[in-house]
Amino acid sequence: DIQMTQSPSSLSASVGDRVTITCRASQDIGNDLAWYQQIPGKAPRRLIYAASSLQSGVPSRFSGSGSGTEFTLTISSLQPEDFTAYYCLQDSTYLWTFGQGTRVEI
Amino acid sequence: QVLLVQSGAEVKEPGSTVKVSCKVSGGIDSTYKIFWVRQAPGQGLEWMGLIYPIWRTRHYAHNFQGRVAFTADISTNTAFLELSSLRSDDTAVFFCALQNGEIESWGQGTLLTVSS
Repeated sequence: DIQMTQSPSSLSASVGDRVTITCRASQDIGNDLAWYQQIPGKAPRRLIYAASSLQSGVPSRFSGSGSGTEFTLTISSLQPEDFTAYYCLQDSTYLWTFGQGTRVEI
Repeated sequence: QVLLVQSGAEVKEPGSTVKVSCKVSGGIDSTYKIFWVRQAPGQGLEWMGLIYPIWRTRHYAHNFQGRVAFTADISTNTAFLELSSLRSDDTAVFFCALQNGEIESWGQGTLLTVSS
């Protein structure tokens, strides 16, 4: 199975900060990676798919990059509603895996 | 707009079986896939597997193989998750999610409590 290592597990930031979260895959997954945001008590929401494509309706301050085994999610200027949890998901094969998650805290 | 509505919360005893439904509504191509995700209290997301209802193709995560079964009724656009031999650590929220091209939509989640 492909393992996804997400880092950091948590980070502290302030409104307006630029934040980067990383996911590393245990083998080459091309660009088969998505990023999700989850507000506590709610279903996850996809932000990015195919490593760098912005999901319709998602603010442009979110961006994704990378290919192969290393990927990043960048939030260019943190807004108050962005302080929550983020996950990567590889969908390269027929067995998908999530990263462990990153909590973005004030 | 695609909407997924899941069945309500369940309380089950250890060793029993639960069946969760996920009804899809809205205009989508019939070649969509449904995947299921488990989230234990305070924990991260765990991918359980997926099903293509139109072809009845299923793939299960290794952690759940032998205990989980996905089915689908394409006439009612409803997918089902059945999890057997329930244990206390199956207490979690279960989500269904649909992908169809660039469209992705999630159900509201179903809380399962496993307790004697």
